[in-house]
Amino acid sequence: AQKITQTQPGMFVQEKEAVTLDCTYDTSDQSYGLFWYKQPSSGEMIFLIYQGSYDEQNATEGRYSLNFQKARKSANLVISASQLGDSAMYFCAITGYSTLTFGKGTMLLVSP
Amino acid sequence: NAGVTQTPKFQVLKTGQSMTLQCAQDMNHEYMSWYRQDPGMGLRLIHYSVGAGITDQGEVPNGYNVSRSTTEDFPLRLLSAAPSQTSVYFCASQRDRVVETQYFGPGTRLLVL
Repeated sequence: AQKITQTQPGMFVQEKEAVTLDCTYDTSDQSYGLFWYKQPSSGEMIFLIYQGSYDEQNATEGRYSLNFQKARKSANLVISASQLGDSAMYFCAITGYSTLTFGKGTMLLVSP
Repeated sequence: NAGVTQTPKFQVLKTGQSMTLQCAQDMNHEYMSWYRQDPGMGLRLIHYSVGAGITDQGEVPNGYNVSRSTTEDFPLRLLSAAPSQTSVYFCASQRDRVVETQYFGPGTRLLVL
């Protein structure tokens, strides 16, 4: 069984600063994928970034990067130059057989 | 291309009533899933399907039934609603087993009184 742990219930950051959202995982699979999703107050799930377990380089998508440390089983999301629109819930997830296991999420609030 | 659609957006039920949450996708994806989201719990898998005619249970399947008669549709049935099923329900689909991108529907908010 897979497990995701997000230890930060809430994070505060000022606009234009960088922020790191923590995620640790547990899995017995040799091949797996790690995801980050954003859920704004409107409720939809927005895919942000994906990292495969065999990818040697950390994934990046615009202002989002995934700091993947396989030995430590961590997959932290780094948001550079935070914007007010980044205020949302952020979920880390790991692949199972064709499905995802999610963490409980981190609420990020970006202040002006 | 509408992606993943869910109906209804909102629903209020009384305890013991039955209803079906509809989910459809037009991307010809083989894999579809249902999740529920409760406060402080993240998303938890209810049921999933790896193709027409094939379904399996997830983490929290009790109280829910599914079937997959077509590739496009994956309805979720509540046979006798309970207040504990008050939640936001998300349907998702993906192309194949490699879950590089799972597309989510907009969600259905369900309140059981």
